[in-house]
Amino acid sequence: GESVGLHLPTLSVQEGDNSIINCAYSNSASDYFIWYKQESGKGPQFIIDIRSNMDKRQGQRVTVLLNKTVKHLSLQIAATQPGDSAVYFCAEINQGGKLIFGQGTELSVKP
Amino acid sequence: EPEVTQTPSHQVTQMGQEVILRCVPISNHLYFYWYRQILGQKVEFLVSFYNNEISEKSEIFDDQFSVERPDGSNFTLKIRSTKLEDSAMYFCASSPLLGTDTQYFGPGTRLTVL
Repeated sequence: GESVGLHLPTLSVQEGDNSIINCAYSNSASDYFIWYKQESGKGPQFIIDIRSNMDKRQGQRVTVLLNKTVKHLSLQIAATQPGDSAVYFCAEINQGGKLIFGQGTELSVKP
Repeated sequence: EPEVTQTPSHQVTQMGQEVILRCVPISNHLYFYWYRQILGQKVEFLVSFYNNEISEKSEIFDDQFSVERPDGSNFTLKIRSTKLEDSAMYFCASSPLLGTDTQYFGPGTRLTVL
């Protein structure tokens, strides 16, 4: 079946440290994954995506790693800032364009 | 930068009443979606829409729900007879292409059913 899940519901880091948020998926046929950030009272905001023909993709301060062998992906945020505090969701897109979200990890950044 | 907009930001209604949630997708996008998020839970897919037809819908999207693109800019979600469990944030999203492109989300409408 389709499911995307996250390992930890909350993550607290010190400002300036690196953050790693993990996600597991169950559908080995999944080929497109997206990380979204959701701040309180707002809609999900696209951060970075990765397709199954890649194992790493980098953006500005963010890196997504995909391990297809164990069906795991992670989001790494470098030099975490207070503005990074939010809930982070991994999601997969099925062939019909439907986004399947995981439960979310709440990232708290301590100053 | 183009954005998806949604109105109203907050809708309060009595159980059994009809509500219409409105969205203006990004203008050159072709695919439109509704998702909902019950407080404290993950975002759940409701329906996708393309070329004036529903492309896919979830089990949540039963006969009480309908979507429409009444003109060239608006995309609406109607709930005919609201239930208490319909209380949630409803997000509209749009994308230029199906499946292969990022979906951009609006700010959401908070629906409260009393």
